[in-house]
Order: sequence, then C-alpha cells, then structure tokens
Amino acid sequence: GNSVTQMEGPVTLSEEAFLTINCTYTATGYPSLFWYVQYPGEGLQLLLKATKADDKGSNKGFEATYRKETTSFHLEKGSVQVSDSAVYFCALNPMIKAAGNKLTFGGGTRVLVKP
Amino acid sequence: SQTIHQWPATLVQPVGSPLSLECTVEGTSNPNLYWYRQAAGRGLQLLFYSVGIGQISSEVPQNLSASRPQDRQFILSSKKLLLSDSGFYLCAWRTTADREKLFFGSGTQLSVL
Repeated sequence: GNSVTQMEGPVTLSEEAFLTINCTYTATGYPSLFWYVQYPGEGLQLLLKATKADDKGSNKGFEATYRKETTSFHLEKGSVQVSDSAVYFCALNPMIKAAGNKLTFGGGTRVLVKP
Repeated sequence: SQTIHQWPATLVQPVGSPLSLECTVEGTSNPNLYWYRQAAGRGLQLLFYSVGIGQISSEVPQNLSASRPQDRQFILSSKKLLLSDSGFYLCAWRTTADREKLFFGSGTQLSVL
C-alpha cells in the first residue's frame, strides 16, 4: 500500500536558519506529492505540490523537488521566520480514479522557530 | 468563494457518550467530502469519504460512522465513544474538477475521558 514517512520533530531553529524536513514515500504508479502546513489554531492548508518527477513545488519561500529515483519530496526553506512555526505534513495522492482521490499523510513534523 | 465550516472546535466527552461532528461546505455543489483523524503522535488517517448524498465509504473499521444527509453536509457520529476515539478530526472537501486540491476545515479536538 501507499505510505509516507517524514522526520519526527520537533525541529527547533533560530530565525534565518535553513530548514529541511525529509519526506519519503512508497506508492505504485505516479503519485502527486504535497506539503500541507498547519499553523497554531488553524486547519491544514496546502503549501505546495508537485505532480510528476523532477517537478519543483514552491510557495512562501519553501521548495520541494519530486525525486522519483529516491522516492523523496524533502521540504526546504533557506531562511525561516518565527511565523513559519507550524506543523508540516507530507502527503501523496496515488492519482488512481478508483481510489477516490484519497490522500495518505505522513506523521507531521512540528517546527518551532525562535527569535 | 467556497468555505468549509466545522464545529465544534473542541469537545470533551465521557466514555460511552454519543458523538456528532458536523461539517458543511458553502459555495460549491456536489463536492467530495472527507473525514480525517489525527491521533496523538500519529499522522492523518482517512476515516470516511463521500462522493454524493447517501454514499459513504469507510476506510478503517472503527467505532465511528458517517452520514451525508445533504449535498454539502457531512456528519461524523458515534453511539458510544471510546478512549481511543480521542484525537483531532478534520473535515475536507474537493471539487470533482480539481482532483488534487483538498480544502480542510479548522478541525475539532476531541478528548474522551
């Protein structure tokens, strides 16, 4: 079956530090990959996505590249801010019609950025 | 514009009591609707999804049930809560036109004591 594994947190950083959150996946076929973010007290929001190998998703200074050879979709940001403190979820959509567009999520990584 | 409402935001219930969480979507028609749960220390788990009124697919055998009495209303229920039902419940929807983008509600933190 499909699965997503992401690094456990919490990850504590200082402002302007470089952030990497590792994400690897197992899936058949050609899934789409996503990063979702959950800010304190809010619901999940789509942060970025990539739909095929070597695609790079980017948003709000975050980037992630779909690496089929390593089945990875690591999230990176070059200089984090306090406002980036949140829980980040990696997810995949197997893109199989019969599957009802069901997402499989990783366990989430809490990121805390200190001033 | 489309919005999704989920309530309540927090809920504390005793073991054995019933549960009803409601989710409604506005500004769209015939959405696909989903209930997810995030148990403490674990990832998001799909519980139920629905592609239309009265159509419910269950992903995981459990103490919960779901219903879709109206096109834009999705209800998560239990007749008797268990301690293991504690968690963060998220409702989500997507249009049939965009298979990739999922919109989430703000979630309900359920504590069963």
